[in-house]
Parts: sequence; structure tokens; C-alpha cells
Amino acid sequence: AQSVTQLGSHVSVSEGALVLLRCNYSSSVPPYLFWYVQYPNQGLQLLLKYTSAATLVKGINGFEAEFKKSETSFHLTKPSAHMSDAAEYFCAVNERDAGGTSYGKLTFGQGTILTVHP
Amino acid sequence: DARVTQTPRHKVTEMGQEVTMRCQPILGHNTVFWYRQTMMQGLELLAYFRNRAPLDDSGMPKDRFSAEMPDATLATLKIQPSEPRDSAVYFCASGTALGGNIQYFGAGTRLSVL
Repeated sequence: AQSVTQLGSHVSVSEGALVLLRCNYSSSVPPYLFWYVQYPNQGLQLLLKYTSAATLVKGINGFEAEFKKSETSFHLTKPSAHMSDAAEYFCAVNERDAGGTSYGKLTFGQGTILTVHP
Repeated sequence: DARVTQTPRHKVTEMGQEVTMRCQPILGHNTVFWYRQTMMQGLELLAYFRNRAPLDDSGMPKDRFSAEMPDATLATLKIQPSEPRDSAVYFCASGTALGGNIQYFGAGTRLSVL
């Protein structure tokens, strides 16, 4: 079964600083990987996804993530943090069976709360 | 702009009462998911459907929770009887196998059971 680990439940950065949110996964088959963002009192919104094409994936709001198979990682980065980036971020992996068939079910990490200081 | 619609957005009820939450998935999406989010447990998958058929409801307390899809445009999650520990935000999401199974989330129903 697939699993996701997000390292650090809270990350704090200064405005303009690099944002790095860490995600490691375990999967016996090539996964689909996702980053979602949740703003207060809202549902989750897709930031970006990896579906076995380019390993560097660009998403909305200047975020990007790199799939590294050797490290089983899919870390989320943004070169310069903005106050509006303050939110909770979730990494997720798409469950697939041994034959690679997906049933649409996602396994989510525990989330990382990003705080941006002026 | 297509979106998942959940009603009600907020619900306050007393212990023992029945609660029904509704979800309208995005038109054309054939997979619907129900999640519960709490501070302690994070985001938990309760149940999901494909083409209106339940695929997995192992995350749901069977004695009090039930999930159904009466038609392709409506999914319901019922709690009967409700308990204070059911207080949480309940999210519905919909998706399709095309495009890597992206799930689109509704804004959630915030349930408080007193």
C-alpha cells in the first residue's frame, strides 16, 4: 500500500524567502503524486500533479515540485514566499494496484502549515 | 466555473439528531469521495463511489454513518444518531480517471454536535 510522509507539521519563513515543503512517499508501483493547498475555511485546491511525464512539475502561484524516484521524494518549492502563501499544504499519492490500475483513491499526508512572516 | 457544491456549509445540532450532508459533484465526474477533517486525525477518507456504486466505505463507522448516491448529481452522507465526536469538517470531492485522477474538493460542511 502507498503512504505519504510530510516532514515538518509547521514551517515558518520570511516573506521573500525560499519555501521548501518536504514529502516522501512509498509505493510499489510508479505513483501519481499531488500537492494540494488549503486556505482557512476552504476546501483543498490542487497546486500541481505528477503523472509520469516531466519530473519537474510547475503549478499555480509560482510553486513547483520535483519527482525524485531515487529518493522517493516530491518536495514542493517556491523561490520567494508571499504573505498570501500562508496555508496548509498536503502531499498525496494516488493508489494503484499491482497492475497499475488506479481507482482514484488518494492517500494524503498529515499536512504542513506554512506561516509567512513580514 | 465548474465546482463541487456542498450543503449546508455549517450545521449545529444536538446529540442524537440525524444529520444529512449533500454534495453535488462536477458534471461528468464519475468518482465521488467523502472525507472528514479534524485537528487530531487530519484528513480521513470515509467512503467513495465510482459510477454511483460504493467502492470502499471502510473508513466509515457503519453503525451510524451511511453514504449514498441516489443519482449522478447527488451524493449524501448521513449520521444517525449524531454524537459530539462527529464534530468535524466534512468534505466531498469528485474526480475522473482521466488526467491522473485529480480530485476537486467542495468547500466543506462544518458540523458541530452539542
